[in-house]
Amino acid sequence: GQNIDQPTEMTATEGAIVQINCTYQTSGFNGLFWYQQHAGEAPTFLSYNVLDGLEEKGRFSSFLSRSKGYSYLLLKELQMKDSASYLCAVIDSIYQLIWGAGTKLIIKP
Amino acid sequence: TAGITQAPTSQILAAGRSMTLRCTQDMRHNAMYWYRQDLGLGLRLIHYSNTAGTTGKGEVPDGYSVSRANTDDFPLTLASAVPSQTSVYFCASSDGQGTGELFFGEGSRLTVL
Repeated sequence: GQNIDQPTEMTATEGAIVQINCTYQTSGFNGLFWYQQHAGEAPTFLSYNVLDGLEEKGRFSSFLSRSKGYSYLLLKELQMKDSASYLCAVIDSIYQLIWGAGTKLIIKP
Repeated sequence: TAGITQAPTSQILAAGRSMTLRCTQDMRHNAMYWYRQDLGLGLRLIHYSNTAGTTGKGEVPDGYSVSRANTDDFPLTLASAVPSQTSVYFCASSDGQGTGELFFGEGSRLTVL
């Protein structure tokens, strides 16, 4: 079966750095997304990785290693507004999008 | 820019009743999707449509039906609601077939009693 694993919940301090990991076992790979979802709101796009390496976008970076079936989302200079769930999703060989259950990130002052 | 509009925002429904969740997009995207989101689970695909006039079944299609008469609208119908269909429903669209970014509506919270 296809599977995406993320930690259920993480806690970090305002101003710090946090890394949210995602491991996947899927039938093929055609890309990986990270989405942010604030409580009671819709998911919004953060990043897309299809090649190995680090993609940086402001305070957020996303890393991919296809050989290890692994990605992480790195959030720097954490702000209270970063408190949200972070969803990892993988596109498989038939272009289905497989979603992880999400990681709830709690930011403390 | 409206993007994707869903209605209603929330609804309480008696078991056995029918219900249609509406979804309209103004981005002229070809692909549209219906997901349900339940606590502790990832988004699960109910039905999808790659282009107007075509639909397909996702991971959890039972008890749901969709239609795609035109590019903009993609309604989801529950013919006879059951309590296990209590969930938050998200409509989404993309301009590609799997590699494109998904744009989501604000969600419809449905409670079936």
